[in-house]
Amino acid sequence: NAGVTQTPKFQVLKTGQSMTLQCAQDMNHNSMYWYRQDPGMGLRLIYYSASEGTTDKGEVPNGYNVSRLNKREFSLRLESAAPSQTSVYFCASSVGGTSGSAVENEQFFGPGTRLTVL
Amino acid sequence: LAKTTQPISMDSYEGQEVNITCSHNNIATNDYITWYQQFPSQGPRFIIQGYKTKVTNEVASLFIPADRKSSTLSLPRVSLSDTAVYYCLVGDVRWRQLTFGSGTQLTVLP
Repeated sequence: NAGVTQTPKFQVLKTGQSMTLQCAQDMNHNSMYWYRQDPGMGLRLIYYSASEGTTDKGEVPNGYNVSRLNKREFSLRLESAAPSQTSVYFCASSVGGTSGSAVENEQFFGPGTRLTVL
Repeated sequence: LAKTTQPISMDSYEGQEVNITCSHNNIATNDYITWYQQFPSQGPRFIIQGYKTKVTNEVASLFIPADRKSSTLSLPRVSLSDTAVYYCLVGDVRWRQLTFGSGTQLTVLP
């Protein structure tokens, strides 16, 4: 049981290049999330997917697109990378639901992808 | 989304109880309070969640007063391995819109 996995672990891009960050979970979770964390700051939500087939914008969606490929996989795409997108990107998943219980809402995080845009 | 305020940093010694308080004056009726822990170069890890009064699990307790405008995370008998950043989050978890603030850097000293 690997939990949440992310690839790649590290990436260096030039301004204007594109790339896709991959995320997969093996916990049969319904909800998945993408966050970014800049140095010395907390995490900011980019996009989330409450359930398979749905995606919604978070706090900082500009410059990103997402795809919920299936229940297991949620990818994040940078179409034209900019230096301001240099950050550590975390994917997370949760059971999901509407009861508000801790069991449903606890988010499990992947190890992160460290992205540098030159 | 409710804004949270927590101390930037705290120091403690091994074996002591640590209390980290978070202020969230504009918390809404449907909002829950959740705490996460983050070690360097790792993703955050869920610690505890509560709505009102007191919640306890195997690693921490969460105290929430009746007005819910603040909450206190209590870590009993901390060890060096508890050195981490602790985030207080307030939001309607059913809508998945959680906001991480800057967190509290807890340093446990020998």
